[in-house]
Amino acid sequence: GAVVSQHPSWVICKSGTSVKIECRSLDFQATTMFWYRQFPKQSLMLMATSNEGSKATYEQGVEKDKFLINHASLTLSTLTVTSAHPEDSSFYICSANNLIAKNIQYFGAGTRLSVL
Amino acid sequence: DAKTTQPPSMDCAEGRAANLPCNHSTISGNEYVYWYRQIHSQGPQYIIHGLKNNETNEMASLIITEDRKSSTLILPHATLRDTAVYYCIALHEKLTFGTGTRLTIIP
Repeated sequence: GAVVSQHPSWVICKSGTSVKIECRSLDFQATTMFWYRQFPKQSLMLMATSNEGSKATYEQGVEKDKFLINHASLTLSTLTVTSAHPEDSSFYICSANNLIAKNIQYFGAGTRLSVL
Repeated sequence: DAKTTQPPSMDCAEGRAANLPCNHSTISGNEYVYWYRQIHSQGPQYIIHGLKNNETNEMASLIITEDRKSSTLILPHATLRDTAVYYCIALHEKLTFGTGTRLTIIP
């Protein structure tokens, strides 16, 4: 199957700092990538849709100025959590659509963010 | 996207077939049924998807009723590594995850 790489897998930061998470499609090009957030014992919640070469589309209730998304190439999307606070601590997961492989969405392994 | 309903939890004996049901009574004609699973602290893993016909791959089989209002995911010979949360999703444009079924394989 297609591989989506997410980095880092785990990050701890101080409150007020910014954290960047990378999502790469390793063996296919992805014009669309997605960013999810998952709190403990809850399901995945879609945060935004990242479109290559254009602005991301955010879900209702997600602050676009706090969660900056950049999709500068067909294989890379980044999510920057700006001025992180303890309530932003969560499991962040990206996914990418493989248009060639029946448009199946493949997921990264996730990034666990802990804000102190 | 159509709402799906799954039992919150199920147990299955190791080596037996695990049958996971999903109701999607409001599914529309162009919505595919997708199944993913999430093993603890990992990203979701794609399993299988279908529109009308039954599907089979190396991981599982998907049985969709003729009226498309429900489906069943079948893991033919469950192993301990199949313990996970299984999500059934009726996809139109975006994957929207519900609460899924927590499947526990019993040794």
